Amino acid sequence: DQQVKQNSPSLSVQEGRISILNCDYTNSMFDYFLWYKKYPAEGPTFLISISSIKDKNEDGRFTVFLNKSAKHLSLHIVPSQPGDSAVYFCAARDDRGSTLGRLYFGRGTQLTVWP
Amino acid sequence: GAVVSQHPSWVICKSGTSVKIECRSLDFQATTMFWYRQFPKQSLMLMATSNEGSKATYEQGVEKDKFLINHASLTLSTLTVTSAHPEDSSFYICSARDMTRAGWDQETQYFGPGTRLLVL
Repeated sequence: DQQVKQNSPSLSVQEGRISILNCDYTNSMFDYFLWYKKYPAEGPTFLISISSIKDKNEDGRFTVFLNKSAKHLSLHIVPSQPGDSAVYFCAARDDRGSTLGRLYFGRGTQLTVWP
Repeated sequence: GAVVSQHPSWVICKSGTSVKIECRSLDFQATTMFWYRQFPKQSLMLMATSNEGSKATYEQGVEKDKFLINHASLTLSTLTVTSAHPEDSSFYICSARDMTRAGWDQETQYFGPGTRLLVL
């Protein structure tokens, strides 16, 4: 049962434009959401996160938006650069009890930024 | 920043042999480490949660006798794939949780670079 879903396996964007990556979740108990960037044959690297009490978090070119009522979050990258080309994973965390720290991942979205 | 290493980065072995993968937190202590598996074009699937000094907690469907996890110190966890078969070929990734930064509003989990396993 996939509790975190990324329905778009790929996204292609021209350099300089905005990239919008989407993520949906089903578990209303998730209280922290993260985006990771991953290159082939490497581990994920943390990009940006947002707690459930906020609806927006911004870090440079990256902004994450959270819509709790819709159980939806998105990552905006502006302006997109060719170096942003990678697989982006959305993850959610449930810090209750025995699941403390556990992350639930989506399937990822391959972002390609072309010149 | 926090660094997590994995060794080896890739391994090729014959069917029936056992393979050990190490996960180390280099500059912090990790009471909890996680082991993931990723198939091509798939998500990272949590295999087990490893707690220092206690038995690992395995996810449903993961054979604990096949995937042995040992977390003997605060900086080292090992995953041993016993009697490996071609279907065990995958990309295995560990992560470690830095409890000194624990706080629900912070990212505290750091990932290793992964280990590519190919079983012939």
